[in-house]
Amino acid sequence: GAGVSQTPSNKVTEKGKYVELRCDPISGHTALYWYRQSLGQGPEFLIYFQGTGAADDSGLPNDRFFAVRPEGSVSTLKIQRTERGDSAVYLCASSLLGETGRTGELFFGEGSRLTVL
Amino acid sequence: GDSVTQMEGPVTLSEEAFLTINCTYTATGYPSLFWYVQYPGEGLQLLLKATKADDKGSNKGFEATYRKETTSFHLEKGSVQVSDSAVYFCALNQAWGNDYKLSFGAGTTVTVRA
Repeated sequence: GAGVSQTPSNKVTEKGKYVELRCDPISGHTALYWYRQSLGQGPEFLIYFQGTGAADDSGLPNDRFFAVRPEGSVSTLKIQRTERGDSAVYLCASSLLGETGRTGELFFGEGSRLTVL
Repeated sequence: GDSVTQMEGPVTLSEEAFLTINCTYTATGYPSLFWYVQYPGEGLQLLLKATKADDKGSNKGFEATYRKETTSFHLEKGSVQVSDSAVYFCALNQAWGNDYKLSFGAGTTVTVRA
């Protein structure tokens, strides 16, 4: 009974480097979400996938952030030219799409902690 | 925009004490309200929810009532255990449309001592 799996659990990188964070959702969940949690704050929405397509990417902070989900399952969040301000825990969640299109309960992974030096 | 304000922590209690974590919200329309919990070393998980005014959500001995008149959704438990030590997040979303977008409070860390 696997839950949402995120790798790596910890990533330390240098300013300016490229980073990829991976999310493996619960099998059969069509909806996938990325949230970001900065220190001392609650999670903030980044992007939502329904199947392979990004249905809403309005939370991505700028064009250095990009996410893909090519086969409608695993998703990768990509951050280019990382900055110290990108340091945070990146959370992935998945859900079924409920009745009448409403979102079902979100199931979260443990997160990937990114530290940019 | 929609937002949630919750009681700052950390909160430290003795076992069997009464716990209240205050949460108030600002939102247009008729949001759904949630409490999420994050136990040490685990991901966020839904604790309880309420989808309309006067609804009471309950789970694991925790309760919260959706109060539209005071725009509040306070979390309560009558007798806490050490295993309730966790970070608690109040959250809301809009019931229709982009209901996948949760707005979270900053979280309240609760530590229960034996």
